Amino acid sequence: KNQVEQSPQSLIILEGKNCTLQCNYTVSPFSNLRWYKQDTGRGPVSLTIMTFSENTKSNGRYTATLDADTKQSSLHITASQLSDSASYICVVVSFGNEKLTFGTGTRLTIIP
Amino acid sequence: EAGVVQSPRYKIIEKKQPVAFWCNPISGHNTLYWYLQNLGQGPELLIRYENEEAVDDSQLPKDRFSAERLKGVDSTLKIQPAELGDSAVYLCASRQRTSGSGSGELFFGEGSRLTVL
Repeated sequence: KNQVEQSPQSLIILEGKNCTLQCNYTVSPFSNLRWYKQDTGRGPVSLTIMTFSENTKSNGRYTATLDADTKQSSLHITASQLSDSASYICVVVSFGNEKLTFGTGTRLTIIP
Repeated sequence: EAGVVQSPRYKIIEKKQPVAFWCNPISGHNTLYWYLQNLGQGPELLIRYENEEAVDDSQLPKDRFSAERLKGVDSTLKIQPAELGDSAVYLCASRQRTSGSGSGELFFGEGSRLTVL
């Protein structure tokens, strides 16, 4: 069964600190992996999309990595800001049927 | 350009009442999704459309849920009758499907939050 697992479930860090969120998946065949940011009460917004051949991609202070061999991805946030408080959802897209498998998300809280 | 537009943003109804949600995808996007999201969980697919055809509705509870996408643009999702367990956020998303790679970016609406009393 295709699954996406994220860890930790929740995380609290001080403003200005860095953090890393993890995503492990069993989706096969693999097409691409996406990270989304979802603010409370809003729809998810795309941060990065990574294909099989990409092992790192940055979007401002967000850097995603992908290891397709171990089926792991991480999202690193540098110099966190209060506005980074949100849920971060990992999504893996299957090759062929393009089915999206969502993780349950990591709830990140930045405190001043 | 406007993003994915959903309405209403909030809806409170009593159980056994009907409810409908509307979604207007980004212009030109041929793929449209309806998702259900419970608090603290990731979105769960209800139905996916390619143009006006429902290509994946395996997770749609067809005894009470129905959806349509006439003319392959706007879509409506209906629940009749609503149950207490249907309280959730209903998200609509759309993307322009690209040939082969599946890498077209997915855009979500703000969601419709349903509360069933």
